[in-house]
Amino acid sequence: KAGVTQTPRYLIKTRGQQVTLSCSPISGHRSVSWYQQTPGQGLQFLFEYFSETQRNKGNFPGRFSGRQFSNSRSEMNVSTLELGDSALYLCASSLGQGVSTGELFFGEGSRLTVL
Amino acid sequence: SQKIEQNSEALNIQEGKTATLTCNYTNYSPAYLQWYRQDPGRGPVFLLLIRENEKEKRKERLKVTFDTTLKQSLFHITASQPADSATYLCALLYYGGSQGNLIFGKGTKLSVKP
Repeated sequence: KAGVTQTPRYLIKTRGQQVTLSCSPISGHRSVSWYQQTPGQGLQFLFEYFSETQRNKGNFPGRFSGRQFSNSRSEMNVSTLELGDSALYLCASSLGQGVSTGELFFGEGSRLTVL
Repeated sequence: SQKIEQNSEALNIQEGKTATLTCNYTNYSPAYLQWYRQDPGRGPVFLLLIRENEKEKRKERLKVTFDTTLKQSLFHITASQPADSATYLCALLYYGGSQGNLIFGKGTKLSVKP
């Protein structure tokens, strides 16, 4: 069974640009959650989707958005990039309706560098 | 607001010894605590989950305890090996309103020396 797949793995953008990251969950998993990981703040929750609906959202500005498609694949978008958005963006899928249902399966992440 | 802290940023131990990592939380009693392992440049990998009504969980060389009085979880790796070197994250799920919220500690980097 294939794991969680995130693309791209690495990307470099400049301030003011926007970026879209993609996540394909494990087959059969309908819940996808996104996290930002930085050395200073650790792993921080961005948002969570189940059946194409956003179920929960973390404390991030509106520049961070996401969506989920009918095949459970998810994308997140960051607009008007800032230097502080440089981070590892992780996607996780789970069997069930969300992060509250237990084990999360993480992808390898998308490493974003903003110059 | 709920906070979670992993007391040590780094822990160095000798091969064969038991590594003990600490996770403390404030405010709400979590529904459960999870522990993950993360290797450099990789995503976290789930290790163990312990619920609020459980005192201890074991899996092979791993053991997790949960003390709701101390608001603390301890994660033990017995007979540690250099291959156990990684960053270990604890995460807790708590309910604020109807939504479950999962928050992570910043991790403890474990180095096991041969």
